[in-house]
Amino acid sequence: DAGVTQSPTHLIKTRGQQVTLRCSPKSGHDTVSWYQQALGQGPQFIFQYYEEEERQRGNFPDRFSGHQFPNYSSELNVNALWLGDSALYLCASSLAGLAGGGTDTQYFGPGTRLTVL
Amino acid sequence: QKEVEQDPGPLSVPEGAIVSLNCTYSNSAFQYFMWYRQYSRKGPELLMYTYSSGNKEDGRFTAQVDKSSKYISLFIRDSQPSDSATYLCAMSSFNFNKFYFGSGTKLNVKP
Repeated sequence: DAGVTQSPTHLIKTRGQQVTLRCSPKSGHDTVSWYQQALGQGPQFIFQYYEEEERQRGNFPDRFSGHQFPNYSSELNVNALWLGDSALYLCASSLAGLAGGGTDTQYFGPGTRLTVL
Repeated sequence: QKEVEQDPGPLSVPEGAIVSLNCTYSNSAFQYFMWYRQYSRKGPELLMYTYSSGNKEDGRFTAQVDKSSKYISLFIRDSQPSDSATYLCAMSSFNFNKFYFGSGTKLNVKP
């Protein structure tokens, strides 16, 4: 049973560039959430996708956007990168229940480490 | 005030010790309480998952939730060097739409 996978593992970008991170959820899961984890901090919620729509969003600027595909995989896009965006980006998947409410907790992928120079 | 407060440690204990990790929270809407273990530069791994108040045991791990005090704990019995990691508490309301994490407690178990 494949768990949550993310690509790439590491990424180095310069300020002002754009980046796309990818996530495939655990088999059987239909909901994907994205988190940003700065060094020494807990993960911070960016947004969650269900049925190809953004269902909930944390306190992140519009430079952070996402997409979910019909096969439930997801992308996180960050535009106009700046130094403060350097972090581990985590994808978590879960299974939604009736009316989109969750029925289970979230399982995390290994993360993509983004470094902005 | 943060939604979830967690002592960052680091916590250093000898092998075989009982470890107690704790989080407090402010939002009474939280219904689900999770503990994740995170090794350096890896994604969080789910350890324990409880609903509402009470205790849950899984091997050497016991999770406790006291909703009246807004306080949760994770106990590790017979701690091993392989338990050395950062432990994150996380909470969500009933629909799992959004998780709130503590900042993590770094644990070091010395052989």
